[in-house]
Amino acid sequence: DQQVKQNSPSLSVQEGRISILNCDYTNSMFDYFLWYKKYPAEGPTFLISISSIKDKNEDGRFTVFLNKSAKHLSLHIVPSQPGDSAVYFCAANPSGTYKYIFGTGTRLKVLA
Amino acid sequence: DAGITQSPRHKVTETGTPVTLRCHQTENHRYMYWYRQDPGHGLRLIHYSYGVKDTDKGEVSDGYSVSRSKTEDFLLTLESATSSQTSVYFCAISGPAGVNEQFFGPGTRLTVL
Repeated sequence: DQQVKQNSPSLSVQEGRISILNCDYTNSMFDYFLWYKKYPAEGPTFLISISSIKDKNEDGRFTVFLNKSAKHLSLHIVPSQPGDSAVYFCAANPSGTYKYIFGTGTRLKVLA
Repeated sequence: DAGITQSPRHKVTETGTPVTLRCHQTENHRYMYWYRQDPGHGLRLIHYSYGVKDTDKGEVSDGYSVSRSKTEDFLLTLESATSSQTSVYFCAISGPAGVNEQFFGPGTRLTVL
């Protein structure tokens, strides 16, 4: 049973436009969420996170939005750049644990 | 970059043989993790450690064991490798307090023939 879902396996966006990557979760006991970016043949790298007490966190071109009632989070990248082309994973931390549950990933392709 | 190395980086082995993957960190972080990445499944937690000699199971622990005798090393062992364990394995570490982002190693590509 997939507790963290990324329903779009891939996404293509024109350079300069907004990229929106979505993530849904099923467990209301998740209280911390993270996004990672992964290039081929490399380990994932941390991008941005959000606590469940917030609904938005911004870091430069990256903004994460959290809608707890819908159990949904999204990552916005504005403006998108070709170097953003990668696989993006969302992850969730169940309250009181140090485990992280990852989604299946979305492959973003930014077209020049 | 966080100091995390994995060895070997690539390995081809045969079904039924034992395999040990090593993760080494120089950050002195308390928490260490082993994941596997497979198409359509994303990253799945195999085992994790919250201190020396303290480990716990993740989502897909069957067929795997781990050991952590020193803060800096976390070993993942496949006692008798199967073809279903062909995957890319990532080690990760996270910091000492609260929920922190994880830092990942470069990965080990394991092929079981």
